[in-house]
Amino acid sequence: TQLLEQSPQFLSIQEGENLTVYCNSSSVFSSLQWYRQEPGEGPVLLVTVVTGGEVKKLKRLTFQFGDARKDSSLHITAAQPGDTGLYLCAGARIQGAQKLVFGQGTRLTINP
Amino acid sequence: DTGVSQDPRHKITKRGQNVTFRCDPISEHNRLYWYRQTLGQGPEFLTYFQNEAQLEKSRLLSDRFSAERPKGSFSTLEIQRTEQGDSAMYLCASSLAGTVRDEKLFFGSGTQLSVL
Repeated sequence: TQLLEQSPQFLSIQEGENLTVYCNSSSVFSSLQWYRQEPGEGPVLLVTVVTGGEVKKLKRLTFQFGDARKDSSLHITAAQPGDTGLYLCAGARIQGAQKLVFGQGTRLTINP
Repeated sequence: DTGVSQDPRHKITKRGQNVTFRCDPISEHNRLYWYRQTLGQGPEFLTYFQNEAQLEKSRLLSDRFSAERPKGSFSTLEIQRTEQGDSAMYLCASSLAGTVRDEKLFFGSGTQLSVL
């Protein structure tokens, strides 16, 4: 059973379009993180959200933590080919250690 | 800061052989984590250390797996009597212990294990 479900699993869009990736669970998390992973490399942390309803922006990327701290979304505005990659959400169930539960990832392709 | 270093990057072994992977964390980081990632999936937590103490092991970690961090610096992950199901990317991450907002994991590039 996947504790964190990401959707869509694959997304291919044209440069300049907007997109949203979802990360859903029936469990409450103390924090939710988003990572980006390139082929053959480890994940790189993009953002951590902690408070229910929290919104964080990183240039054209907007991250939101659900009010109940069970879900999150990543919105990209005016996507660029450089945004291509695997996006992973990860939740921490308890405080005190980064024992993370990862979603299965969303593979994003931005076509020029 | 050279980041988290893992060695080797790739390992091909025959079923039944033992393998050992090494992770060198960022020097001032006191926590070190091991995760495993199979194709098309997100990483799965295996174990973590705070300094030299192994504080938690996942139920995924069978008796064939052992990890050490003898001096609170580098860590090794050994798999005995490898099985084909052990084929995966083994990722190491390190961090400086802090609050859930402050503690940030830095991952290495991983060791890709293929068991034939």
